[in-house]
Amino acid sequence: DADVTQTPRNRITKTGKRIMLECSQTKGHDRMYWYRQDPGLGLRLIYYSFDVKDINKGEISDGYSVSRQAQAKFSLSLESAIPNQTALYFCATSGQEGTDTQYFGPGTRLTVL
Amino acid sequence: GESVGLHLPTLSVQEGDNSIINCAYSNSASDYFIWYKQESGKGPQFIIDIRSNMDKRQGQRVTVLLNKTVKHLSLQIAATQPGDSAVYFCAENRNDYKLSFGAGTTVTVRA
Repeated sequence: DADVTQTPRNRITKTGKRIMLECSQTKGHDRMYWYRQDPGLGLRLIYYSFDVKDINKGEISDGYSVSRQAQAKFSLSLESAIPNQTALYFCATSGQEGTDTQYFGPGTRLTVL
Repeated sequence: GESVGLHLPTLSVQEGDNSIINCAYSNSASDYFIWYKQESGKGPQFIIDIRSNMDKRQGQRVTVLLNKTVKHLSLQIAATQPGDSAVYFCAENRNDYKLSFGAGTTVTVRA
């Protein structure tokens, strides 16, 4: 969905490096989410935010941090990347009108060597 | 533990046939379910949703059935086309705006 964009789309980095993944949305949604996807597994929630002042841990937040700079922007950081953080990362948004439907960005493929 | 799961990891279907993708859930408190389609290299795309006060909902070529008695959800795709080849995920929401996803079923359409 072009309304949710992620940068970069692909990134290769080395163990120990700090990495930031960025997400922007033009849907006007209050709620934003970060997920990771590993082969053969469903999406697992890393962090989520219901508005600019709200940050919540998901099921696998260890090793990650987030920043909600504005309603439209939600960034995910890996402070010191490790190889088992190699995965596809997706940002998603959901609407303030009360719908639970989440809309996903195109994903970032991260490889940690 | 409570989880959302799909019965089969892969499904091969002849073009033109109907596809049925199944999903079991274990949390009886879940009140909202979504089916997503993920094509290679793309993010999950919303297909159809259903709330727990319904047992059937239809979209364009797709139907979702919900059986709360046995905690079972299915996605039916009519007249499957090559463009339907993708990974399909079911997701449940327990009224807290977070989704729990199944592992996905890979659908391959044979010409």
